[in-house]
Amino acid sequence: KQEVTQIPAALSVPEGENLVLNCSFTDSAIYNLQWFRQDPGKGLTSLLLIQSSQREQTSGRLNASLDKSSGRSTLYIAASQPGDSATYLCAVPDSGNTGKLIFGQGTTLQVKP
Amino acid sequence: ETGVTQSPTHLIKTRGQQVTLRCSSQSGHNTVSWYQQALGQGPQFIFQYYREEENGRGNFPPRFSGLQFPNYSSELNVNALELDDSALYLCASSEQGKAFFGQGTRLTVV
Repeated sequence: KQEVTQIPAALSVPEGENLVLNCSFTDSAIYNLQWFRQDPGKGLTSLLLIQSSQREQTSGRLNASLDKSSGRSTLYIAASQPGDSATYLCAVPDSGNTGKLIFGQGTTLQVKP
Repeated sequence: ETGVTQSPTHLIKTRGQQVTLRCSSQSGHNTVSWYQQALGQGPQFIFQYYREEENGRGNFPPRFSGLQFPNYSSELNVNALELDDSALYLCASSEQGKAFFGQGTRLTVV
């Protein structure tokens, strides 16, 4: 059974810092991994999708890496800004072809001015 | 903005009542999934519809049911509401493995 874990659960950093969010999964046979951002009480915004054949994806100040063999992904945020404050979730498809995404609990990030 | 729209945005219901939540998927996406997100938790998969047929279901009781229409919009129905059904309900449409989520419906059961 696939399980996804995100560490830390919460993170507070001063503006301008570079930071890394971690995501681990127990079954390495994944098709892809997706990182999302969620503002309080809102829906999920897709940030990056990494296919199983890829090692990393970049979008602006965000870089996500994927290491299937070790069951890990990281989301790197460069030069953090207060507007980056949100909850970040990672998700992988379930192993059966159900279309189900399995999410971690999320990391809540606060960037202080 | 993803193009996935959900209605209503907020809803308050009494225990035992029934509720219908609606989702309009992104244009061209024929797959719609529903998730329940309790406060402080990651979203939990309820079920998915593909071309009007249920195509996978999570660990939710039968009082959670759904429909998908020919235009690929979808409904989530919950009967006999319980206090623990209070949550953010998210709809997502997908294409080539990438999921696009709506803004969610906040359901409060009192």
